[in-house]
Amino acid sequence: NAGVTQTPKFRILKIGQSMTLQCTQDMNHNYMYWYRQDPGMGLKLIYYSVGAGITDKGEVPNGYNVSRSTTEDFPLRLELAAPSQTSVYFCASSPSEVGYEQYFGPGTRLTVT
Amino acid sequence: GQNIDQPTEMTATEGAIVQINCTYQTSGFNGLFWYQQHAGEAPTFLSYNVLDGLEEKGRFSSFLSRSKGYSYLLLKELQMKDSASYLCAVNDDYKLSFGAGTTVTVRA
Repeated sequence: NAGVTQTPKFRILKIGQSMTLQCTQDMNHNYMYWYRQDPGMGLKLIYYSVGAGITDKGEVPNGYNVSRSTTEDFPLRLELAAPSQTSVYFCASSPSEVGYEQYFGPGTRLTVT
Repeated sequence: GQNIDQPTEMTATEGAIVQINCTYQTSGFNGLFWYQQHAGEAPTFLSYNVLDGLEEKGRFSSFLSRSKGYSYLLLKELQMKDSASYLCAVNDDYKLSFGAGTTVTVRA
């Protein structure tokens, strides 16, 4: 199993550009999450999904959108990139049962200039 | 809201013991996780506590007191590879709220 994979690993965007961060998991997990991590900070939840077709906002959703058309994929869309969105983005997945750990992808390092 | 506090940094010597404290005030609670994160890498799971008491896993142990809103992670026989950030995270339903992390530096 590859686990959770994310692409790209690095990206530089100009202000106002848009992009999609890809996330795929092959563990058949129903729950998937997007976090951002700023330097010296913990992870902040952007969006999450409890299954295909179901998504909900986390703590910091402004400026982002998500979709979940399949169990495996959970892309994160940035519209009109801003410098405040410079961060490291982690995708994670977990089984449905409470108490199971979340498995994290390797992260995407995004810089908006 | 969620409030999760842990110290910013700790330094210890190789072979020593370090205890990382975490206090929390959250709207819901379904357990507490500890993750390890090396610089430039993704977090990896260390431990999970849902009942009060101590869970031991090799050199790492984690303790929980739900009535006090308190947990700690104990790292024994420190090794250089233990230099990393340690994240405390409270599970509320199926969502995690993370503390800012404690950076542990192990010195020779």
